[in-house]
Amino acid sequence: DAGVIQSPRHEVTEMGQEVTLRCKPISGHNSLFWYRQTMMRGLELLIYFNNNVPIDDSGMPEDRFSAKMPNASFSTLKIQPSEPRDSAVYFCASSAPSGGLDEQFFGPGTRLTVL
Amino acid sequence: GDSVTQMEGPVTLSEEAFLTINCTYTATGYPSLFWYVQYPGEGLQLLLKATKADDKGSNKGFEATYRKETTSFHLEKGSVQVSDSAVYFCAPPFTAGNMLTFGGGTRLMVKP
Repeated sequence: DAGVIQSPRHEVTEMGQEVTLRCKPISGHNSLFWYRQTMMRGLELLIYFNNNVPIDDSGMPEDRFSAKMPNASFSTLKIQPSEPRDSAVYFCASSAPSGGLDEQFFGPGTRLTVL
Repeated sequence: GDSVTQMEGPVTLSEEAFLTINCTYTATGYPSLFWYVQYPGEGLQLLLKATKADDKGSNKGFEATYRKETTSFHLEKGSVQVSDSAVYFCAPPFTAGNMLTFGGGTRLMVKP
């Protein structure tokens, strides 16, 4: 079975540009998570979707960040405009519904560099 | 709020040494607890889990027991290998309303 798929794997852009990161969760999973990982802050949860609906976006750092999940098999995380401090590895993860017992399955991540 | 605390790294060991990475939690009880591992350049993956108190999870020579009396879920391995070098994260299951972050994890470096 295919795991969580993220694209692109690497993105280099210039400050002020729009960046869109993409995620395809595992089929049948109804929860989707976007994380950001940096050396300074570790792995931070940005936003959580359940059944395609954003449930909690309190981890989103600024209004420049937005996330959508138009259907059960696709989600995007957009940064507009991007800034150098947004440079990080962004992970998408999904999990199946099971009353809190299930693990999260992580994608390989997108390494974003904003110059 | 509820939280999980694990020891800070890096932990540096020689090959075949015994490993313990401490993890404690503050909640009255989680339905399950997990250890995830992140190898260089990859996303996190589940290493092992325990689904109830006193349950022991094990995988790849690693073990952890969910102990309610000490509110702990310490990760252990009797003989580490260079290939175990990675970052290890202790975590409870995600629950809505508790935007848990995994934090920095514990970096393990095993030298030949």
